[in-house]
Amino acid sequence: DAGVIQSPRHEVTEMGQEVTLRCKPISGHDYLFWYRQTMMRGLELLIYFNNNVPIDDSGMPEDRFSAKMPNASFSTLKIQPSEPRDSAVYFCASSFQRRPGAGELFFGEGSRLTVL
Amino acid sequence: AQKITQTQPGMFVQEKEAVTLDCTYDTSDQSYGLFWYKQPSSGEMIFLIYQGSYDEQNATEGRYSLNFQKARKSANLVISASQLGDSAMYFCALNTGNQFYFGTGTSLTVIP
Repeated sequence: DAGVIQSPRHEVTEMGQEVTLRCKPISGHDYLFWYRQTMMRGLELLIYFNNNVPIDDSGMPEDRFSAKMPNASFSTLKIQPSEPRDSAVYFCASSFQRRPGAGELFFGEGSRLTVL
Repeated sequence: AQKITQTQPGMFVQEKEAVTLDCTYDTSDQSYGLFWYKQPSSGEMIFLIYQGSYDEQNATEGRYSLNFQKARKSANLVISASQLGDSAMYFCALNTGNQFYFGTGTSLTVIP
């Protein structure tokens, strides 16, 4: 399997621009997670989906952030408009829960976002 | 409530020596999983090892072993025969209720 695939790997944009991050989970996985990692705040869960349905978006910082999962093989995280404080590494991860607590979480390589 | 606690922000170990990275967790669920991830300076998050709450034996994967003490709610990672390439951040994670909770990480430096 190719693993979790994220794009772009690096994105540099100017404040106010729209940013779209993309993720392809591992085939057969039923959970998809978006995380953000910064030095100051560590690894933060933004949102997660189960079978393409958003389950918990309480970690999404504000209305500028939105996430979709139109099908089992694709998800997007959009920031509009972007701000310098959004600069971070954004990870997508997927998992198959065999039973509660029994599902390894596999991460993509991350998308490093810099907002100038 | 904090689910995962890693109390060692930074650790040093001599090459070829063993090192233990501490992790304690908090959950009232009966079925849960514990994980360790390695994040080298290149940034990717690498899955190392998994321990299920019902597993009676400690998990092992090569030089990695998980010292699981259920009553104490601890899941320490033991790395044997440390190598320079083991220098990285290490994160402990708890999977419960279909969510994953991560600790703040421990930075391990292997000294030649």
